[in-house]
Amino acid sequence: SYVLTQPPSVSVAPGKTARITCGGNNIGSKSVHWYQQKPGQAPVLVIYFDSDRPSGIPERFSGSNSGNTATLTISRVEAGDEADYYCQVWDNSSDHQVFGGGTKLTVL
Amino acid sequence: QITLKESGPTLVKPTQTLTLTCTFSGFSLSTSGVGVGWIRQPPGKALEWLALIYWNDDKRYSPSLKSRLTITKDTSKNQVVLTMTNMDPVDTATYYCAHRRATTIGFFDFWGQGTLVTVSS
Repeated sequence: SYVLTQPPSVSVAPGKTARITCGGNNIGSKSVHWYQQKPGQAPVLVIYFDSDRPSGIPERFSGSNSGNTATLTISRVEAGDEADYYCQVWDNSSDHQVFGGGTKLTVL
Repeated sequence: QITLKESGPTLVKPTQTLTLTCTFSGFSLSTSGVGVGWIRQPPGKALEWLALIYWNDDKRYSPSLKSRLTITKDTSKNQVVLTMTNMDPVDTATYYCAHRRATTIGFFDFWGQGTLVTVSS
């Protein structure tokens, strides 16, 4: 089955740029979606189809996907961005959904 | 406005069968491309996809849990039901249902609040 690999944690100072990666075999050929989950809350979709933002998600959130790595980029990081972030793909060979292991973003 | 809400027991004993219901509004599960999925999250751990049911009653299950899961829908009641047999303490988790957007490559754009299920004797 398809595996997505994320770093367990990323730290960034306020106002700086955070980059959270999601690795997978030829992930660039798939569409990647990203979810933000704050403590005690349900996940929220922040990026879909690699780089599209749902309405209500700040432009500071962006995504890219190429080769074996997809990246969620958060510009001008704020304290309120501190959360766990999960990438997700649809494995078309098996028609299964796959989540990455999650990355905890800490705002210093 | 799309909303989903999970309901079911908060405590089950080992070996029992868990039945969870997802009641939704704001969309129809008879609309082409739409689906409802179940995802769980053990305390302090990552999200894990469990099952997905499509508008046409097609069903998909996590390979590691397939033998224990059954997902069904009742379109008239706007409900999706997940059953998981032979529950074990490792199945203790918050269980979420989520709306799958009606696109060729789906993703979960709306989630329920989740329901915590504890497995203990």
